[in-house]
Formats: sequence, C-alpha cells, structure tokens
Amino acid sequence: GNSVTQMEGPVTLSEEAFLTINCTYTATGYPSLFWYVQYPGEGLQLLLKATKADDKGSNKGFEATYRKETTSFHLEKGSVQVSDSAVYFCALRGISSGSARQLTFGSGTQLTVLP
Amino acid sequence: SQTIHQWPATLVQPVGSPLSLECTVEGTSNPNLYWYRQAAGRGLQLLFYSVGIGQISSEVPQNLSASRPQDRQFILSSKKLLLSDSGFYLCAWTLKSTDTQYFGPGTRLTVL
Repeated sequence: GNSVTQMEGPVTLSEEAFLTINCTYTATGYPSLFWYVQYPGEGLQLLLKATKADDKGSNKGFEATYRKETTSFHLEKGSVQVSDSAVYFCALRGISSGSARQLTFGSGTQLTVLP
Repeated sequence: SQTIHQWPATLVQPVGSPLSLECTVEGTSNPNLYWYRQAAGRGLQLLFYSVGIGQISSEVPQNLSASRPQDRQFILSSKKLLLSDSGFYLCAWTLKSTDTQYFGPGTRLTVL
C-alpha cells in the first residue's frame, strides 16, 4: 500500500535559518505529492503540490521537488520566519485510490522558529 | 469561491453521551467529502469518506459513524462516546477532477 515517511520532529530553528524537512514515499506509479501546513488550533492548508516527476512546487518561499528516482519530496525554505512555526504534513494521492481520491499523510513535523 | 464550515468549533462531552459533528461545503457540487481525526501530537487518521449522497466508506472500524444526507453536508456521529474519541476532527472536500483536498477549521472534542 501507499505510505509516507517524514522526518521526525520537533525541529527548532533560529529566524533566517535554512529549513529542510525530509519526506519519502512508497507508492506504485506516479502519485501526486503535497505539503500541507497546520497552524496552532486550525485546519490544514495546502502549501504546495507536484503532480509529476521533476515538478517543483513552490509557495510563500517554500519549495519541494518531486524526485521519482529517490521517491522523495523534501520541503525547503531558504530563510524561515517566526510566522512559519507550525506543523507540516507531507501527503500523497496514489493512482490506486480511484474515485475516492484519498490522501495518505505522513505523521507531521513540528517546526518552531525562534526570534 | 468554495468554503467549508464545521461546527461546533469546540465540544466537551461526558463518556457515554452521543455526538453529532457537522460539516458543510459551499460553492461547489458533488464533492468528495472526508472525516479525519487528529489525536494530540499525532498525525491524521482517515475515518470516513463519501463520493456521493448516502455513500459512506469506513476506513477504521470503531464506535463512530458518518452520514451524508445532502450533497454538501457530512455528519459524524456516535451513540456513546469513549475517552479515546477525544481529538481534533477535521472535515475535508475535493472535486472529483482534482487531487487537492481542502480542510475545514476543525472541531476540538474532549471526552471526560
């Protein structure tokens, strides 16, 4: 079946530091890949996505590249801000989910950015 | 534009009491709808999904149930809550033509 493995948290960085959150996946074929962000007490918001190999998703300074050869979709940001503090979820939609279009989520990575 | 609503936002219930959480989507038709639970410090667990009115699929057997009485309404219920039902419940929707799921603001349920 499909699975997503995320880097264990929590991650604590100083403002303006470089961020990488690792995400690898197991799925057949070419799944669609997503990063969602959850701010305290809120629902999840789509941060970025990529639907085919070598695509780069980007939003709000965050980037992730769909790497089929390493089955990875690592999230990066060159300079984090305090407002980036949140939980980040990697997810995939596998080709086997059919009309249900279910997503498989990683366990989430808590990021705290200190001023 | 599309919006998704959940209520109540917060709920405190005694063990053994019933539960009804509601989710509605505006601005779209015939969406897929999903219920997730997020326990404290944990990831998301898909509970139910629905591809149409009256069509419910359960991912995890438990004392919860779901119903979809109208196209854009999704209800999560329980006849008798357990302590382990505490958590953050999230509703989500997607169009049948896309992959992206859009989430509601969530309901924080505490069972005492």
